[in-house]
Amino acid sequence: NAGVTQTPKFQVLKTGQSMTLQCAQDMNHNSMYWYRQDPGMGLRLIYYSASEGTTDKGEVPNGYNVSRLNKREFSLRLESAAPSQTSVYFCASSEGGGPGGYTFGSGTRLTVV
Amino acid sequence: GESVGLHLPTLSVQEGDNSIINCAYSNSASDYFIWYKQESGKGPQFIIDIRSNMDKRQGQRVTVLLNKTVKHLSLQIAATQPGDSAVYFCAERTGGFKTIFGAGTRLFVKA
Repeated sequence: NAGVTQTPKFQVLKTGQSMTLQCAQDMNHNSMYWYRQDPGMGLRLIYYSASEGTTDKGEVPNGYNVSRLNKREFSLRLESAAPSQTSVYFCASSEGGGPGGYTFGSGTRLTVV
Repeated sequence: GESVGLHLPTLSVQEGDNSIINCAYSNSASDYFIWYKQESGKGPQFIIDIRSNMDKRQGQRVTVLLNKTVKHLSLQIAATQPGDSAVYFCAERTGGFKTIFGAGTRLFVKA
């Protein structure tokens, strides 16, 4: 099983450009998440989708939008990239809000210049 | 406000020794506490979790201890191996789908 797959792995954007980060999971999980990780900091939740058809804001949603395309896929969109959005982005999934941890993808390293 | 912090940013241990990674939390309402391992260039990997009504849970070579009186969480790794070198994050789930991560502790294992 592939688990959680993120594309692309690396991306360089110019300020003001837009892009969509893709995420897909093959574990039939109900819930999916987008986190960003900055040096010296833990992961911060951007948006999550508790179940297909729902999305909610996390700690740092400004500048981002998400789409839960179906049960497998959850995308993150940057409409107008800013240097402050330079980060490593991780997608994760879980059965739901119960016990156990999340399964994370391998990340997308985004640089905005 | 809510916070999850770690006492030490780095920890260096000799191969074969036991490692103890500590974590403090502030939200008494958290229902689960989770430990993740992150190797360089990879996403975090779930290690073990503990429910808030427990004080100890054991896995393979790992033990998590929870002390709610002082809001402290620790991860013990027995017989540390070079493959254990990574950054370890504690995280607390404050209800439903909100999980707060600490900044991480880097574990170095010396051969």
